[in-house]
Amino acid sequence: NAGVTQTPKFRVLKTGQSMTLLCAQDMNHEYMYWYRQDPGMGLRLIHYSVGEGTTAKGEVPDGYNVSRLKKQNFLLGLESAAPSQTSVYFCASSYIGQLREQYFGPGTRLTVT
Amino acid sequence: TQLLEQSPQFLSIQEGENLTVYCNSSSVFSSLQWYRQEPGEGPVLLVTVVTGGEVKKLKRLTFQFGDARKDSSLHITAAQPGDTGLYLCAGAPGGNQFYFGTGTSLTVIP
Repeated sequence: NAGVTQTPKFRVLKTGQSMTLLCAQDMNHEYMYWYRQDPGMGLRLIHYSVGEGTTAKGEVPDGYNVSRLKKQNFLLGLESAAPSQTSVYFCASSYIGQLREQYFGPGTRLTVT
Repeated sequence: TQLLEQSPQFLSIQEGENLTVYCNSSSVFSSLQWYRQEPGEGPVLLVTVVTGGEVKKLKRLTFQFGDARKDSSLHITAAQPGDTGLYLCAGAPGGNQFYFGTGTSLTVIP
C-alpha cells in the first residue's frame, strides 16, 4: 500500500498562474484534508471532505478550491496564485469516527514568485 | 490567535536529558492527538488521548490529557538523537474541523 501520495513534490509558479495539487489515498478513508504549513504557524486546515462529492471550508480557505469526485482523490486548486500562498501543502486522510487519526502525504513545496 | 498553543516553541537538549512539551487551549476537546514530523516529511501519529486524566506511554514517551480535556503534555525520558523532530498536538473541539498546535521543534544533541 502506498498510503497517501501527493503530486507534484515541488512547484514554482509566477503570480497569477494556476495549478492543481493532487492527493490520492489507497486506504479507503472517508475523510480527506488539505493543510498548509508555514514557519511558526503549525498546520492550518484549508479545506476538507467527509466523503465523495462533498467538500467544506477549513480555517484558511480563501484563494483555494477543492474537489472530491472520487473517494480516493482530493484535488486542491489555486486559480490565481499569490506570493502569500508560498508554503508547504500537506494532504491527509482518516477514517470516520471520533478519533479520526490522520495519515499524511509527503507534502508539496510551492513557491510563488 | 491559535486554538492550540504549544510550549516551548524550540528546545535544544543534550542526549540523556528529560523534557516536557505542553499543549494548551481554552477549548474542550473530545480527544487530542500527538504527531511527530521530520524534515521534508509529513507528520506521523504518535498517540491519541481520549479520557480526561488519561496517561499513555509509548516506550520513553509519556502523554497526559488534562482532567478538563483542555490541555495535554508530552514527556520524554532520556532523550535520544532519534527523538529530534517537530512535535505537534492536534484536535477537533467540535465538528469535523481539525486544529493543529504551533509545534515544538526538538533537537537532541549527541
